Amino acid sequence: GDSVTQMEGPVTLSEEAFLTINCTYTATGYPSLFWYVQYPGEGLQLLLKATKADDKGSNKGFEATYRKETTSFHLEKGSVQVSDSAVYFCALRLYNQGGKLIFGQGTELSVKP
Amino acid sequence: DSGVTQTPKHLITATGQRVTLRCSPRSGDLSVYWYQQSLDQGLQFLIQYYNGEERAKGNILERFSAQQFPDLHSELNLSSLELGDSALYFCASSETGSDTGELFFGEGSRLTVL
Repeated sequence: GDSVTQMEGPVTLSEEAFLTINCTYTATGYPSLFWYVQYPGEGLQLLLKATKADDKGSNKGFEATYRKETTSFHLEKGSVQVSDSAVYFCALRLYNQGGKLIFGQGTELSVKP
Repeated sequence: DSGVTQTPKHLITATGQRVTLRCSPRSGDLSVYWYQQSLDQGLQFLIQYYNGEERAKGNILERFSAQQFPDLHSELNLSSLELGDSALYFCASSETGSDTGELFFGEGSRLTVL
């Protein structure tokens, strides 16, 4: 079935380090791909998205490129800040599945000063 | 602020009881989704409604039910509660339910079953 797999956390980095969180997907159709972020004690917020192959989503210094050939949507940031500490969820959405989001298991990021 | 409103934010109840969680979608959004977030299961899709009709069903227990009303707000009813039902329940909305854009999430209702 359709699914999303993320790298396991928690991930601990020092401030200004480079971040990569791997995400791969399995889908029967052509999904839209998303990264959502959940800050401590809060709900889910959209971080970035891409709706077709080779699209790059970007926001707040984060980037991810929709790679159809490798079925991946890895999240990257060149220099993380303490305020980036949160749980990051990769997700896919399929037009022909009623439009629900299918989430990965989430990756907890902790950034130390 | 996503525009999606969920109430109550916190709820503590006992096993065997029944609770109702409420969700008001963003203005203009016709589709509502319910998700359960627990430590061991992650974010699980429960059910989706579109303009009052059930559109898709996920891993929703028979003890749980939902509906979407003519004013488009939705309620998730959880009955015969068990300890394992303790979780954060999210509601999300989208414009049509068949588009490829984002879902907008509420802040969640945290349910604790004692």
